[in-house]
Amino acid sequence: NAGVTQTPKFRILKIGQSMTLQCAQDMNHNYMYWYRQDPGMGLKLIYYSVGAGITDKGEVPNGYNVSRSTTEDFPLRLELAAPSQTSVYFCASRPQTGQGVNGYTFGSGTRLTVV
Amino acid sequence: ELKVEQNPLFLSMQEGKNYTIYCNYSTTSDRLYWYRQDPGKSLESLFVLLSNGAVKQEGRLMASLDTKARLSTLHITAAVHDLSATYFCVIIQGAQKLVFGQGTRLTINP
Repeated sequence: NAGVTQTPKFRILKIGQSMTLQCAQDMNHNYMYWYRQDPGMGLKLIYYSVGAGITDKGEVPNGYNVSRSTTEDFPLRLELAAPSQTSVYFCASRPQTGQGVNGYTFGSGTRLTVV
Repeated sequence: ELKVEQNPLFLSMQEGKNYTIYCNYSTTSDRLYWYRQDPGKSLESLFVLLSNGAVKQEGRLMASLDTKARLSTLHITAAVHDLSATYFCVIIQGAQKLVFGQGTRLTINP
């Protein structure tokens, strides 16, 4: 099925550990995003990309890094996990402006706990 | 800084009743979305509103947009239990970045 695929779905990290959250889309979307959602809150933008090789910071980028070597993949890297990074992470994508007015497509999320 | 404010944040209502969720935003935007999120799930796009006076309806949900007042509403008609979820109002900012409201947690009781 076409869409945004995130892995893993759940992960527990110890403080100071590193990990990469994977995100892949098969819709040939130019724009991709990483959001985090804290309990009872809306989503906040971490990083985004408007195309392969181009990334930019969002509202809450500290403690994270991204890369966009292909159109399909947009991994999010946590280098030194901290308890404040306990959250649910959503990857999203959308086509280039003008190619459709539909809403963004979200992945199913990665629930991360840092202990 | 663009802010998106929803009210109410929590809403408990009985089946069969009507109610409206309000969304105010602080600066102009050319696109407003309504999303639904079920507990522990991802987000589902409900409506995209593109212009002043836009009204869209899907089943028991109807969304409208007043760009002059910077206000969008999500109206629920004859609520049913299946509509229990959290609803987010979302605005586009700058280079296609989404700015979310706090969400309205809707509980519909039999």
